[in-house]
Amino acid sequence: NAGVTQTPKFQVLKTGQSMTLQCAQDMNHNSMYWYRQDPGMGLRLIYYSASEGTTDKGEVPNGYNVSRLNKREFSLRLESAAPSQTSVYFCASRGDLQPQHFGDGTRLSIL
Amino acid sequence: GENVEQHPSTLSVQEGDSAVIKCTYSDSASNYFPWYKQELGKGPQLIIDIRSNVGEKKDQRIAVTLNKTAKHFSLHITETQPEDSAVYFCAASSPLTGGGNKLTFGTGTQLKVEL
Repeated sequence: NAGVTQTPKFQVLKTGQSMTLQCAQDMNHNSMYWYRQDPGMGLRLIYYSASEGTTDKGEVPNGYNVSRLNKREFSLRLESAAPSQTSVYFCASRGDLQPQHFGDGTRLSIL
Repeated sequence: GENVEQHPSTLSVQEGDSAVIKCTYSDSASNYFPWYKQELGKGPQLIIDIRSNVGEKKDQRIAVTLNKTAKHFSLHITETQPEDSAVYFCAASSPLTGGGNKLTFGTGTQLKVEL
């Protein structure tokens, strides 16, 4: 009963490096989301995918790209990491008329 | 867009006392209001939610109230226990143009239940 699984759990990058955060859900949910969480700012939506094959920008999309690989998987890519992208990243999924379920996050530090 | 304000940012109560966290929202189109509990090193976990056609909902020691006219909603925890210590987030849900819904979160309340 995994729910939403995020990998990796921790990552340290140097400025300018690229990486992809992975997210997979096993609940057959249509919608998937990427958030970042910074101290004192709650969770802010980066990108979302309302259904397989569609993606849209959220509140803070600059510096990120996403791919909805299939119904289960939704990845977040940082092409050229910047210190301002140091954060905790959460993936969530949601079925129709259901609440969002969150993974346990990826803690990303960019030096 | 939607804006959600949450107060207080920290709350300390004695075990057995009640705790109340309050949120306001700005977008009258928001129609769903979940509350999440986040423990250290974990993702947010849904603890209770309420839809805009309901004024109050209760689940054991937890209750949520909604005042649509005033655009505010509150979380009430009675008979608090040490395991209630965590960060609590309110959120307001509004429809997205691309489909699905968008959650706008408050900035969180650190609740500490002292023995």
